[in-house]
Amino acid sequence: QVQLVQSGAEVKKPGASVKVSCKASGYTFTSYYIHWVRQAPGQGLEWMGIFNPSIDSTTYAQKFQGRVTMTRDTSTSTVYMELSSLRSEDTAMYYCARDQARATVVTRPDALDIWGQGTMVTVSS
Amino acid sequence: DIQMTQSPSSLSASVGDRVTITCRASQSISSYVNWYQQKPGKAPKLLIYVASSLQSGVPSRFSGSGSGTDFTLTISSLQPEDFATYYCQQSYSTPWTFGQGTKVEIK
Repeated sequence: QVQLVQSGAEVKKPGASVKVSCKASGYTFTSYYIHWVRQAPGQGLEWMGIFNPSIDSTTYAQKFQGRVTMTRDTSTSTVYMELSSLRSEDTAMYYCARDQARATVVTRPDALDIWGQGTMVTVSS
Repeated sequence: DIQMTQSPSSLSASVGDRVTITCRASQSISSYVNWYQQKPGKAPKLLIYVASSLQSGVPSRFSGSGSGTDFTLTISSLQPEDFATYYCQQSYSTPWTFGQGTKVEIK
């Protein structure tokens, strides 16, 4: 079945970086956009950016520009999200999610139909 | 950035009630609104996309409407498994933004 499986929980110190993985299965990896969304404890959802695995292109939310990097490994159908210069406010559950729209030059991103299980990142000294 | 404002932030309802949640965008976004349901400790689940299209596998008691700046999610007859938090989200332009959520609790 179609699924996204994320890496395990992380504990990091302020100023460090974290790299979260999201492994896709059950569909053609390069055919669909992948988004990253985070959720601080007890808070709402926050969109971080979108990755097109087909052409290795990204759009990041301005808030995270310069701190976030999204990459891929097509050999393992895995997308990575790296967040640097971590601070306590980055403590959150991080989700990858597939866009149900196919990643083509004429298709706009649509909605998030498949979600990973989430990766808890805790930033604490 | 486009702001999405949901109301109410929480509500109490009984099984069988009709429930309506509204979402207002800070500018016109055509029909580019999606609705998600999230249960504690779980990832969100897509219910409705482009304002009124029912996601495959989602019960027909869920419906969405609206265009421009005002949108509505309706649950026609609330079931025990529907107690959760609901979020609207705009896909009109990046950064995608979510409403603050509406928590539906048991009365």
